[in-house]
Amino acid sequence: KAGVTQTPRYLIKTRGQQVTLSCSPISGHRSVSWYQQTPGQGLQFLFEYFSETQRNKGNFPGRFSGRQFSNSRSEMNVSTLELGDSALYLCASWPGQGISYEQYFGPGTRLTVT
Amino acid sequence: AQSVTQLDSHVSVSEGTPVLLRCNYSSSYSPSLFWYVQHPNKGLQLLLKYTSAATLVKGINGFEAEFKKSETSFHLTKPSAHMSDAAEYFCVVLIYNQGGKLIFGQGTELSVKP
Repeated sequence: KAGVTQTPRYLIKTRGQQVTLSCSPISGHRSVSWYQQTPGQGLQFLFEYFSETQRNKGNFPGRFSGRQFSNSRSEMNVSTLELGDSALYLCASWPGQGISYEQYFGPGTRLTVT
Repeated sequence: AQSVTQLDSHVSVSEGTPVLLRCNYSSSYSPSLFWYVQHPNKGLQLLLKYTSAATLVKGINGFEAEFKKSETSFHLTKPSAHMSDAAEYFCVVLIYNQGGKLIFGQGTELSVKP
């Protein structure tokens, strides 16, 4: 099975712009979660989508949003970028139900805001 | 609230010596716990998981962890370190009743000296 893929891998944006990141889960997985990783805050949960519905949301401002398509692919959008949004953004997929299933992570998208 | 605390931000060992990475958890419920590893500029790879079956869990690459409820600990061990084990390790708890939401520890950077 192909793993979780994320595009693009690297992105450089200017403060005030917006950005869209994409995540394709493992085939058959219906849940996609997004995480932000920074040196100062570590790994923080952004949100989770399951069957096209947002199931959970972390403590991030409304500038961070996401969606999930019928094929389970997910996108996250960050509007009005700030310097502090520079981070590695990771997505993870799993079947979406049960507690014994492990989550698989993609390689991440490295976003740099200048 | 559920959380994990990694007791060491950095551990240094010599090649061929044992590895011990410490993690304490806090949970009102029987937790689902994981250890992930992240090599530089890579995504997260699952090493092992505990989901209330055997308390001694074996993972990939010779790693194992023991769930100790009385000590609220889930320490990661390996009998003999290899240079390729140098990476950052995360202890993770699945939040009960919130779908796939994971809470990460702050990470432990493992250095392996030749």
